[in-house]
Amino acid sequence: GAGVSQSPRYKVAKRGQDVALRCDPISGHVSLFWYQQALGQGPEFLTYFQNEAQLDKSGLPSDRFFAERPEGSVSTLKIQRTQQEDSAVYLCASSGTDRNTGELFFGEGSRLTVL
Amino acid sequence: KNQVEQSPQSLIILEGKNCTLQCNYTVSPFSNLRWYKQDTGRGPVSLTIMTFSENTKSNGRYTATLDADTKQSSLHITASQLSDSASYICVVPRGSNYQLIWGAGTKLIIKP
Repeated sequence: GAGVSQSPRYKVAKRGQDVALRCDPISGHVSLFWYQQALGQGPEFLTYFQNEAQLDKSGLPSDRFFAERPEGSVSTLKIQRTQQEDSAVYLCASSGTDRNTGELFFGEGSRLTVL
Repeated sequence: KNQVEQSPQSLIILEGKNCTLQCNYTVSPFSNLRWYKQDTGRGPVSLTIMTFSENTKSNGRYTATLDADTKQSSLHITASQLSDSASYICVVPRGSNYQLIWGAGTKLIIKP
């Protein structure tokens, strides 16, 4: 596609529910990143993929967070047993280089609200 | 400590006027500095990426400067338009690391 596409744009979950957020990067982009952005804050790094390999997941806040990119294209961020502190905008970004210093193209984000 | 600080925190100007936003960083080692524009409820959009050797870079009405000696950058917006209302965020990667250090942003409001 023309840009990074994320879905759903908005998700409301009851505490304890599992959620899955999808990211469709720009076609051909090697690198894919997930960020968590709390209200009024800058995005915080969660995890990084180069093709299908998850090279860094050090930013995932707990073992309830899991990300995958099985075919090196679409990625899914899954949050199990959601808690109120998980409420945030989850941003996906992709980059055409494999050196992770290139320009990042962000999606519109998925806004998660946990009640 | 690796930090990126921006000023002012917020700014209100009249349409058509110019403005300059500031960014100071202490990230080391330094490889590049990025300015992003983020509209409310939208993802960040890249305005410029400046490497160590670049002093000035323009993108339409946006001009970014970089002084790697003083570790300062500025973003100058010329002839502001209502659509320029957004948060402008200064971002510095930690060396070649892909983990980005984000500034808190400057919230710019353009009034007619």
